[in-house]
Amino acid sequence: ELKVEQNPLFLSMQEGKNYTIYCNYSTTSDRLYWYRQDPGKSLESLFVLLSNGAVKQEGRLMASLDTKARLSTLHITAAVHDLSATYFCAVDMTNTGNQFYFGTGTSLTVIP
Amino acid sequence: ETGVTQTPRHLVMGMTNKKSLKCEQHLGHNAMYWYKQSAKKPLELMFVYNFKEQTENNSVPSRFSPECPNSSHLFLHLHTLQPEDSALYLCASSQGQGAFYGYTFGSGTRLTVV
Repeated sequence: ELKVEQNPLFLSMQEGKNYTIYCNYSTTSDRLYWYRQDPGKSLESLFVLLSNGAVKQEGRLMASLDTKARLSTLHITAAVHDLSATYFCAVDMTNTGNQFYFGTGTSLTVIP
Repeated sequence: ETGVTQTPRHLVMGMTNKKSLKCEQHLGHNAMYWYKQSAKKPLELMFVYNFKEQTENNSVPSRFSPECPNSSHLFLHLHTLQPEDSALYLCASSQGQGAFYGYTFGSGTRLTVV
């Protein structure tokens, strides 16, 4: 059974600081996705990483994928309050291709 | 608005009631999904439909009954639910098998069973 683990589960950081969220998964996959969820809202797609070594950046967020280590990171640069949300990674099983396994989420709070 | 619309947004129902959740997408996607999101748990996949055919049923209790009349509409029929079924139910869709571009999620239905 595929397991997807995120850490930390909770993160409180000050504005202007940098931090990294980690997503480890337990079996072969070369497709990984990051989502953001605001309280009471749906999941918003942030990044789609489709190959080993993929790196994508959008504003203060940068995501990377190392399929050999089965690890993805979401790096936050100079955090701002608007980034406060829960961040999920999801792994797409290589052999089924249409089923995601989600991590438990990282609840990020950026303190002014 | 993501292009995937779920109704109702909130639902309170008794354990003996029957209700239905609705999901609609006009993105041209041909796969649709139901997920359950409970507090402090990962999202749980419930059902997958690909071209209107159910391809996954992740050991979901029979008190949840999905229906997919066409590629644009997905329903989740609910009957004799338990309080532990209270959760956010999310519908998602994707373009074809492989979900190459990821899923598009609806805003969810917040269900409370009393």
